Amino acid sequence: GESVGLHLPTLSVQEGDNSIINCAYSNSASDYFIWYKQESGKGPQFIIDIRSNMDKRQGQRVTVLLNKTVKHLSLQIAATQPGDSAVYFCAEELLEGFQKLVFGTGTRLLVSP
Amino acid sequence: SAVISQKPSRDICQRGTSLTIQCQVDSQVTMMFWYRQQPGQSLTLIATANQGSEATYESGFVIDKFPISRPNLTFSTLTVSNMSPEDSSIYLCSVAITSPYNEQFFGPGTRLTVL
Repeated sequence: GESVGLHLPTLSVQEGDNSIINCAYSNSASDYFIWYKQESGKGPQFIIDIRSNMDKRQGQRVTVLLNKTVKHLSLQIAATQPGDSAVYFCAEELLEGFQKLVFGTGTRLLVSP
Repeated sequence: SAVISQKPSRDICQRGTSLTIQCQVDSQVTMMFWYRQQPGQSLTLIATANQGSEATYESGFVIDKFPISRPNLTFSTLTVSNMSPEDSSIYLCSVAITSPYNEQFFGPGTRLTVL
């Protein structure tokens, strides 16, 4: 089996539930935040992003919330499906490095049918 | 978008040897990055590789250990030199696209096991 996500926090949900994955970021000056999904044996895949001048952004079945006061990001997945099972990472783009990303620790999402 | 391939997809190597990982992208990009993902961990940036200039390494990573080439706008290599079991990781390349939006695309990764 793959080792990605082996030691990461795990969120287990039932199919159809809504999932909330949380992330704390480190740099209060960061301007841009991204959520990535990493399936077993694959590289991270972009899900949704948000700039620091927003506190909420919605995509298809996903919503990202940004709380700059406490340096917190969350990813909400509506009507979670088995195909959503993966490891989810938040990443922040550092101002001093164009496109240089710092990744959070990650959360493994397990969706049971 | 960008489609990225890496070779090899995985390898098992002996201590003290070196492995060169190739990253190929289907379009010309200025910025490429190399990341390491240790077992059960998140991604850590090793270096930024821009065509026409020396790679820029992050704290804790040095050129002698991880030499990088960037001969053109679609290709890069990362070499893991004088390997030890602690180098066992997934190594990923990524590219930054700036138009129409800023976005990074990742390759599938190279899973390296050092015995």
